[in-house]
Parts: sequence; structure tokens; C-alpha cells
Amino acid sequence: NAGVTQTPKFRVLKTGQSMTLLCAQDMNHEYMYWYRQDPGMGLRLIHYSVGEGTTAKGEVPDGYNVSRLKKQNFLLGLESAAPSQTSVYFCASKSRAGVGSGANVLTFGAGSRLTVL
Amino acid sequence: AQSVTQLDSQVPVFEEAPVELRCNYSSSVSVYLFWYVQYPNQGLQLLLKYLSGSTLVESINGFEAEFNKSQTSFHLRKPSVHISDTAEYFCAVRRANRDDKIIFGKGTRLHILP
Repeated sequence: NAGVTQTPKFRVLKTGQSMTLLCAQDMNHEYMYWYRQDPGMGLRLIHYSVGEGTTAKGEVPDGYNVSRLKKQNFLLGLESAAPSQTSVYFCASKSRAGVGSGANVLTFGAGSRLTVL
Repeated sequence: AQSVTQLDSQVPVFEEAPVELRCNYSSSVSVYLFWYVQYPNQGLQLLLKYLSGSTLVESINGFEAEFNKSQTSFHLRKPSVHISDTAEYFCAVRRANRDDKIIFGKGTRLHILP
């Protein structure tokens, strides 16, 4: 009953370093999302995917890249981390409209706290 | 594009008092609306949703929200709050005819005073 699992939970980077956040879901959901949460800014959509091999830009995509090579995984990459990317990152997933009663409900992971020095 | 405005960043309220958290949306097409709750140090979870039908929707823990199309609002209410309701509440919107992109408001932090 894992749902959405994010790794790592915490990470500290130096400016310019790269890293990848991994999101894994075991609910066979088609759609997956990466949001960032900052004080006073709420949740802002970074990138999302509507299926394996597809990705799309959200509200704040600059400085991030994503990949969805497998249906259950959605990776968020920072090629050259900046202090402005210090945030809590949340992954979420949901099923496609018309597929089950949960089609409109996002399931969130517990979050990944990233600090860029 | 759709957008969501939560007018209050923080709402303090005494325990057992009523509360209303405000949410307004903007969209040129029909929308679905949601309230999510985030308890301290946790991810978000769905509180309630409006898709169609009755404009008043309720959650299992006493919250309710009313969809008002003319005022483009989806305010969240509870007649009597408990200390366990301390959390941040997020309003979210997606277009009814497009189920991929879901946009969240900036959140309202509910402080329950003893």
C-alpha cells in the first residue's frame, strides 16, 4: 500500500551541482506531476506527464527537466542547481478521466526537501 | 488558462468557532474544483471536490464547500473547528474538458486558538 514514494526525502546541494528526484507510484496511474511548494507561493506545477514517454511544461519549468521512461516512475532533474530552487518538491499521480472513481483525485507523495547552498 | 485565488494566507479562529476559507477561480470554461488539506510535515490529501450536480459538497470530517458559478467561488466552511483542523488548505481547479493540468492556489493556513 505504498502509493506515491519520493526519494530522497532530504538533500543539500551546492550551487551548480546536479541531482535527480525520483517519484514512483504503484497505482498504475497514467498521469504524474511534479510541484514545488514555497512559503506564500502555494504549490506550483513544474512539469507533468500524461503517459509513458510524454512530458509537458507546467507553470514554472525553467531549470528543471523530467523523464517518464516507465509508467510508474517520473524523474525530476536539476542540471545546475541554484539557491532559488531551494524548496519542498511534491510528486503526485492520478488516473486518466473515465478510469475508475479516482480519476479526479491526486495522490501525493510525502515530499522531498531540497536545499541549495 | 484557469487560475485560483485564495484571499487569506492565514486565518486564526478559536476552537469550536465557525470558519470560512475563501477561494475564487477564473476560467473561460467549465471547471472542477477541489480542496486539499496538508497537515504539518505531510503531503496533501483530498478534502472534498465538486464535479457536477449538487453545488454543496461535504467531507467526512465536517467541512463543506459550495460551488457558486455566478461569483466564481468555492469557499470552504466548517461550523465548529477543532484543534485537529490545524493545517494548510489548498483550493485547486482543473478544466472540466481537460483532465491533465491541475492548478493550486497559494494556500490558507488555519490556526486554531485554544
